[in-house]
Amino acid sequence: AQTVTQSQPEMSVQEAETVTLSCTYDTSESDYYLFWYKQPPSRQMILVIRQEAYKQQNATENRFSVNFQKAAKSFSLKISDSQLGDAAMYFCAYRSGDTLAGSYQLTFGKGTKLSVIP
Amino acid sequence: DSGVTQTPKHLITATGQRVTLRCSPRSGDLSVYWYQQSLDQGLQFLIQYYNGEERAKGNILERFSAQQFPDLHSELNLSSLELGDSALYFCASSEQWGTNEKLFFGSGTQLSVL
Repeated sequence: AQTVTQSQPEMSVQEAETVTLSCTYDTSESDYYLFWYKQPPSRQMILVIRQEAYKQQNATENRFSVNFQKAAKSFSLKISDSQLGDAAMYFCAYRSGDTLAGSYQLTFGKGTKLSVIP
Repeated sequence: DSGVTQTPKHLITATGQRVTLRCSPRSGDLSVYWYQQSLDQGLQFLIQYYNGEERAKGNILERFSAQQFPDLHSELNLSSLELGDSALYFCASSEQWGTNEKLFFGSGTQLSVL
């Protein structure tokens, strides 16, 4: 079974600074997808960024980027120019690449609570 | 707004009772997923339905059951409730299939068992 580990329960960052959230995972599959989800106090789960394992290029979405190290099974999220609205729980998630099975089952890490200091 | 609708937003009930949580997926999405978020277990996948049929099962208790109706809305039934069932229950939907498919979450139903 796949596991996802987020070793930082809490992090803080000064507004406008850069912060990196860590995530490691364990899998025997070669084809899979990795995600970062944001959960603000509203509880809504919001997709931040997605990475396909077969792509060597790291995904980027505006101020959010990832450092995907497939051999090390590491998938960290970098938030640049942090804003007050970035304060939230961040979850790393794994999905099998077996799309033929037709399932989009996600395995989540425990989350990292990010605080942004004005 | 993700387009996934969950009702009710909050539910307070007593131990031993039965409740039903409802989910309407995004228009056109055939797959519905149920997830449970609790302080102890974190976010866990419970069950998936695709076009009315059960497709995948996760850590779902035998006291829990779900179904997807012909209009594609889904219900999660929780019975013989225990204090430990208190959690935030998410529904999510997705298209099938596609390399760019995404999972869209509802805003959840907060269940409190007293």
